[in-house]
Amino acid sequence: GAVVSQHPSWVICKSGTSVKIECRSLDFQATTMFWYRQFPKQSLMLMATSNEGSKATYEQGVEKDKFLINHASLTLSTLTVTSAHPEDSSFYICSATSPRSSTDTQYFGPGTRLTVL
Amino acid sequence: SQELEQSPQSLIVQEGKNLTINCTSSKTLYGLYWYKQKYGEGLIFLMMLQKGGEEKSHEKITAKLDEKKQQSSLHITASQPSHAGIYLCGAVGGTSYGKLTFGQGTILTVHP
Repeated sequence: GAVVSQHPSWVICKSGTSVKIECRSLDFQATTMFWYRQFPKQSLMLMATSNEGSKATYEQGVEKDKFLINHASLTLSTLTVTSAHPEDSSFYICSATSPRSSTDTQYFGPGTRLTVL
Repeated sequence: SQELEQSPQSLIVQEGKNLTINCTSSKTLYGLYWYKQKYGEGLIFLMMLQKGGEEKSHEKITAKLDEKKQQSSLHITASQPSHAGIYLCGAVGGTSYGKLTFGQGTILTVHP
């Protein structure tokens, strides 16, 4: 199957700083990438949909100014958590797909664990 | 919005036993995905079902989608400790292009 990587795999930062997480599709071109967050013992919640070359579409309740998403190329999307606070601590997972239809498989990265002190 | 309900929420079985996890949707499923997740890791794609009545198998895991396309089951035969993890069903709705909605997950523990 297709491979998606994330970097870093974990990060610890101080409150008020910004953190950038990268999501890369390694062996295919991803026209669409999705960003999810997951709290302990909970399921994944979609944050935003990122299409290459256009602005991301955010889910209701997700602050676009806080979670900046950039999808500058067909293999890279970045999520920047700005002015991070302890409540932003979570597991962030991206997925990538190159949809020919709405049901094309999404391949997930290994996730990034963010801890904000 | 599409809602998925998984049952059971957690499952503990002895190695070698069979088990079934269910995923029920409030709306017609246009695509139903099964993923496996180890705690603190990403999701591993298992199978995707689209057609009513469809059934797919990979090694000891079989997934089915009912004829009405509102319920799916994941069956593991002769479970092994390597099957332990969190199983998530995800669905694509008809109007949300490519967006996946996930069930709450089923935590599977397999005792050797």
